[in-house]
Amino acid sequence: AQSVAQPEDQVNVAEGNPLTVKCTYSVSGNPYLFWYVQYPNRGLQFLLKYITGDNLVKGSYGFEAEFNKSQTSFHLKKPSALVSDSALYFCAVRDIGTGGSYIPTFGRGTSLIVHP
Amino acid sequence: EPEVTQTPSHQVTQMGQEVILRCVPISNHLYFYWYRQILGQKVEFLVSFYNNEISEKSEIFDDQFSVERPDGSNFTLKIRSTKLEDSAMYFCASSFQGAHRDEQFFGPGTRLTVL
Repeated sequence: AQSVAQPEDQVNVAEGNPLTVKCTYSVSGNPYLFWYVQYPNRGLQFLLKYITGDNLVKGSYGFEAEFNKSQTSFHLKKPSALVSDSALYFCAVRDIGTGGSYIPTFGRGTSLIVHP
Repeated sequence: EPEVTQTPSHQVTQMGQEVILRCVPISNHLYFYWYRQILGQKVEFLVSFYNNEISEKSEIFDDQFSVERPDGSNFTLKIRSTKLEDSAMYFCASSFQGAHRDEQFFGPGTRLTVL
């Protein structure tokens, strides 16, 4: 079984400050992990993924995420937030030990609000 | 930049009616998906489609749902007899193959309201 939790419904941060959007996961095998962003009236856009290798993954728009196996976390980060980063962020996980399923499980989403 | 498109953006229907939600995936993608998100809840997988057949489906995707790729560009989700609990945002997605199969590109969604 695979599941993902985003413990915060909303994250507020001032422009220019670092931001973190939290995600924890549960899988029986090894995880593939993803972050997506949804802007108003748009579909989910792929930001980044962790498959294997370096625990720090860099993605689009200056975002990065850190895979932490011991804490089963994959938090999304950005060193300096922009007002334009305000959006809904979804974490997703796929257990690569699920006998060939390519379907990820998504979290509920976290609304990021960056204040000017 | 290529995008997944969906029509209509909002569909209102009466309980028991049939609805068809339409999607145009990215042209060179091979895998197609439908998800739904009930207001305030998680994005839930419904079905995936590859090589003109369903490759995976969830428990939600029961006999009242069907998918079709009627031509080389459209991908549709049909709900035969809608129920109140089918009210949700429905997202279509597509992905390429190989190492990029996991990178799904989503459309903007169709908001379905069943009255």
